[in-house]
Amino acid sequence: DTEVTQTPKHLVMGMTNKKSLKCEQHMGHRAMYWYKQKAKKPPELMFVYSYEKLSINESVPSRFSPECPNSSLLNLHLHALQPEDSALYLCASRSGSGRGNEQFFGPGTRLTVL
Amino acid sequence: GQNIDQPTEMTATEGAIVQINCTYQTSGFNGLFWYQQHAGEAPTFLSYNVLDGLEEKGRFSSFLSRSKGYSYLLLKELQMKDSASYLCAVTGRDDKIIFGKGTRLHILP
Repeated sequence: DTEVTQTPKHLVMGMTNKKSLKCEQHMGHRAMYWYKQKAKKPPELMFVYSYEKLSINESVPSRFSPECPNSSLLNLHLHALQPEDSALYLCASRSGSGRGNEQFFGPGTRLTVL
Repeated sequence: GQNIDQPTEMTATEGAIVQINCTYQTSGFNGLFWYQQHAGEAPTFLSYNVLDGLEEKGRFSSFLSRSKGYSYLLLKELQMKDSASYLCAVTGRDDKIIFGKGTRLHILP
């Protein structure tokens, strides 16, 4: 089973709203990722959690706030977003190190900021 | 820093073979991913190469040369459903994974 799930599939929000994106994996993977992807561009790394601790923050604006409540769950809290933040937000998880260290993506949340 | 290059677009014919190249320059290289992404969907994992050489998985194969900073994805017996973007991504000693800009592959009947 290589499933990563994300909710919601679609989200429309105003610039004053607060919302959260959720991601879940039950593969026992130690690392979880948030990416942002605009149309016809590659995924752009935002955050990485390793063993439930934030290990990488790619200078993401503070209106995006990640949270890792446990080893299976990853949230992205959104507040005071701008229209240019509209994109596909992808969660991914990765097992460990070495040869079997694949990374698998969830289906994504398509976010529209009005 | 890191730099990953792959062709922007390629076109091939149904039933044929196509090779998508990826060159990279990075410090602390650990491994290289290939993903397939259809428009509007999430990337799908194809391969992860750590050691030099060719790895085959059905119609898809991936090759890595660490000394040359070079990889390719080989797709055989092309089908129309293979029309997609193919993303090369590298990872270093930390957990960071950086993607190339992707290659859009068009399959003609």
